[in-house]
Amino acid sequence: KQEVTQIPAALSVPEGENLVLNCSFTDSAIYNLQWFRQDPGKGLTSLLLIQSSQREQTSGRLNASLDKSSGRSTLYIAASQPGDSATYLCAVKGGSEKLVFGKGMKLTVNP
Amino acid sequence: DTGVSQNPRHKITKRGQNVTFRCDPISEHNRLYWYRQTLGQGPEFLTYFQNEAQLEKSRLLSDRFSAERPKGSFSTLEIQRTEQGDSAMYLCASSSGTFREYFGPGTRLTVT
Repeated sequence: KQEVTQIPAALSVPEGENLVLNCSFTDSAIYNLQWFRQDPGKGLTSLLLIQSSQREQTSGRLNASLDKSSGRSTLYIAASQPGDSATYLCAVKGGSEKLVFGKGMKLTVNP
Repeated sequence: DTGVSQNPRHKITKRGQNVTFRCDPISEHNRLYWYRQTLGQGPEFLTYFQNEAQLEKSRLLSDRFSAERPKGSFSTLEIQRTEQGDSAMYLCASSSGTFREYFGPGTRLTVT
């Protein structure tokens, strides 16, 4: 059974810091991995999707990497801003259509 | 740009009542998913449709839960005889098979 872990559960940083968010998964047989953002009481917004054959994806200040063999992914946020404050979730898709999510990491960027 | 819409956004009901939620996917997306999210947890998969066919169901989807997508467009999720443990955010997502899912804003259910 696939399990996704995100540690730490919460992080509070001053504005301007470069951040690394970690995600690990137990079964390396995945089709893709996605990073999502969730604002309080809202739905999920897909930030980056990495196919299993890819090593990284970039969008603006965000960069996500994937090491399938070790079961790890990182989301790098450059020059963090207060508007980046949200919960970030990692999810993997394996042998079925369902996404398996981690519990998320709550990020607070202080001005 | 019309994304995934869900109605109602909030529902408060008494234990034992039936509730129904609706999801309208992005136009022409043939895949539709339902997830449930409780406080402090990531979303958990409930069920998946490709067009009108329900192809995958989680064991979380007990006999009190039923989902339909009658014409391959919108979908409904019904919970019968609600229990307090059903209180959660119910999320709907759709995709066109390009592997990226687009999520709706969710329906928050509170069972009193």
